[in-house]
Amino acid sequence: QKEVEQNSGPLSVPEGAIASLNCTYSDRGSQSFFWYRQYSGKSPELIMFIYSNGDKEDGRFTAQLNKASQYVSLLIRDSQPSDSATYLCAVASSNDYKLSFGAGTTVTVRA
Amino acid sequence: NAGVMQNPRHLVRRRGQEARLRCSPMKGHSHVYWYRQLPEEGLKFMVYLQKENIIDESGMPKERFSAEFPKEGPSILRIQQVVRGDSAAYFCASTAWTSGTASTGELFFGEGSRLTVL
Repeated sequence: QKEVEQNSGPLSVPEGAIASLNCTYSDRGSQSFFWYRQYSGKSPELIMFIYSNGDKEDGRFTAQLNKASQYVSLLIRDSQPSDSATYLCAVASSNDYKLSFGAGTTVTVRA
Repeated sequence: NAGVMQNPRHLVRRRGQEARLRCSPMKGHSHVYWYRQLPEEGLKFMVYLQKENIIDESGMPKERFSAEFPKEGPSILRIQQVVRGDSAAYFCASTAWTSGTASTGELFFGEGSRLTVL
């Protein structure tokens, strides 16, 4: 079983719609959860982090965490063509220092 | 505001040659990570270093791969006798967090070094 699994893509959404990305993790002791965005040929950049159960909103992005279900998600509201990228879910191990990444979900926003 | 600097950005090697990838962390960061990314795959942890100390190398292949982060100068990921399967993007990341601090964790990534083995 992979440490971090993401829903397989690619995910295509029309401009203005909501893109929903899912991620599950295996280490029940994980404490910190991150969403990174990676444009093609570029480096990952952090867009959201969440530590507590519930929702966290930042602009058009909402991260949701459910530790009991070992599930974290990312919603992108009012999707824009510039949101077209691969989104990587990352989980900090119980030891705190190592991020484990999912394989990523590629999102394409159609204009 | 210099970020994480990696070089070379692109490196081509023939099978059996050596590849050296360099990474200078963000100013003030003393922790460096190396990740490998194969096409269509996520980032795979390789090694975590502090200056002059390897903290965790559990993701490093047992042979041909080594990493260091000297007191002075950049961190170096060295791959000896490269094979085609080593072709990948190698990302370095740095962070300012200290061990045991669960409230932080953001990694700042460099632009990556893309290794192609012919």
